[in-house]
Amino acid sequence: GAVVSQHPSRVICKSGTSVKIECRSLDFQATTMFWYRQFPKKSLMLMATSNEGSKATYEQGVEKDKFLINHASLTLSTLTVTSAHPEDSSFYICSARFQGGAFGGPGFRDTQYFGPGTRLTVL
Amino acid sequence: AQSVTQLGSHVSVSEGALVLLRCNYSSSVPPYLFWYVQYPNQGLQLLLKYTTGATLVKGINGFEAEFKKSETSFHLTKPSAHMSDAAEYFCAVRLSGAGSYQLTFGKGTKLSVIP
Repeated sequence: GAVVSQHPSRVICKSGTSVKIECRSLDFQATTMFWYRQFPKKSLMLMATSNEGSKATYEQGVEKDKFLINHASLTLSTLTVTSAHPEDSSFYICSARFQGGAFGGPGFRDTQYFGPGTRLTVL
Repeated sequence: AQSVTQLGSHVSVSEGALVLLRCNYSSSVPPYLFWYVQYPNQGLQLLLKYTTGATLVKGINGFEAEFKKSETSFHLTKPSAHMSDAAEYFCAVRLSGAGSYQLTFGKGTKLSVIP
């Protein structure tokens, strides 16, 4: 239970193009999802908090016009990297907050469950 | 505010030996503490977590961790290492209470298991 998927798992694109990454909670509803970026051999850096039905909250130093986040439903959040450049190449990981309750599957209540990540390479 | 310090960016143990990964935290309020494991090119998998109650927490794959408030520690242990335990391990802290959902991660400890 408490499974989170990401699509695509790997994407290679040309500089200047936009890339959309999807994050889905498969067996529970998540009003809150998080987007992280992980540099090689580094820890996870929180980019933004995505709230269903409202604007995302971005961490300091993260360009909101560069990294567009949409959380249109209780099971889907998307991150769009606009006009991608080589320095945007990274491993992007999402997580969904499992709150338990009537719609929740088995899992630890009020815990973040992580997707498998998306490797973005911008040429 | 909260922070996490993982001592040792790389730990090597022999197969069958004790695994000890250290994590210290700082938090202005009682924390929730987590250990996650990450295999190469994969996302994070929750190993175990501490919120309240029993301070010794058992997780998956034979791992356990003990919350020691006096030492502000949440070290991860496993009695006998297996080759499949080789991975990156992250300790994370979250403030307890409603409205505090953000996780703060340590820098990670890479565990190598020597046959």
